[in-house]
Amino acid sequence: AQSVTQLGSHVSVSEGALVLLRCNYSSSVPPYLFWYVQYPNQGLQLLLKYTSAATLVKGINGFEAEFKKSETSFHLTKPSAHMSDAAEYFCAGVAGGTSYGKLTFGQGTILTVHP
Amino acid sequence: GAVVSQHPSWVICKSGTSVKIECRSLDFQATTMFWYRQFPKQSLMLMATSNEGSKATYEQGVEKDKFLINHASLTLSTLTVTSAHPEDSSFYICSVPDIRRYEQYFGPGTRLTVT
Repeated sequence: AQSVTQLGSHVSVSEGALVLLRCNYSSSVPPYLFWYVQYPNQGLQLLLKYTSAATLVKGINGFEAEFKKSETSFHLTKPSAHMSDAAEYFCAGVAGGTSYGKLTFGQGTILTVHP
Repeated sequence: GAVVSQHPSWVICKSGTSVKIECRSLDFQATTMFWYRQFPKQSLMLMATSNEGSKATYEQGVEKDKFLINHASLTLSTLTVTSAHPEDSSFYICSVPDIRRYEQYFGPGTRLTVT
């Protein structure tokens, strides 16, 4: 069974500092992994996705994530935080095949960016 | 990516009444759509899979007689919350999977408040 765990429900950084949001997965099959961002009262926007093509994935708005099978991790990073990055971030995973689309979400991490 | 809309974006109803939420894929035909529920300060949980031309499939613990799903066409799925109660108050989000691109397109969500 697929499960996704995000370590840290709240992360606070200063503007210009490194952003690191942690995500670990457990799966019996190689997963597809995603990072989404959600602003208040809005739907989810895809930041990036891992589909086994490359372990280092670059996304929108300067975010990137590295798939590490040995650590079962898919942490999200951004070198320099911007005030507009303040939002809630969700890591999600799905097994391929017929169950594609049935995403399992992590608990979410609220990112706060201080001036 | 595809554009997914939901209507209404916010609805308030009285306890015991029924509410219908629409999910439309504006430029992408989908034989499958997904419905998620997000309680305040919590993550998204998959409720059910909407299947065009067949019955919806529900996740464990989701009452199929309470949450009626109709996949009317390749671009429209509706979720009806019957006999709504305050505990049904939540943010309901639909998504459309794109298997070829390994992506999902999320609607903006519908906030349901039951008084």
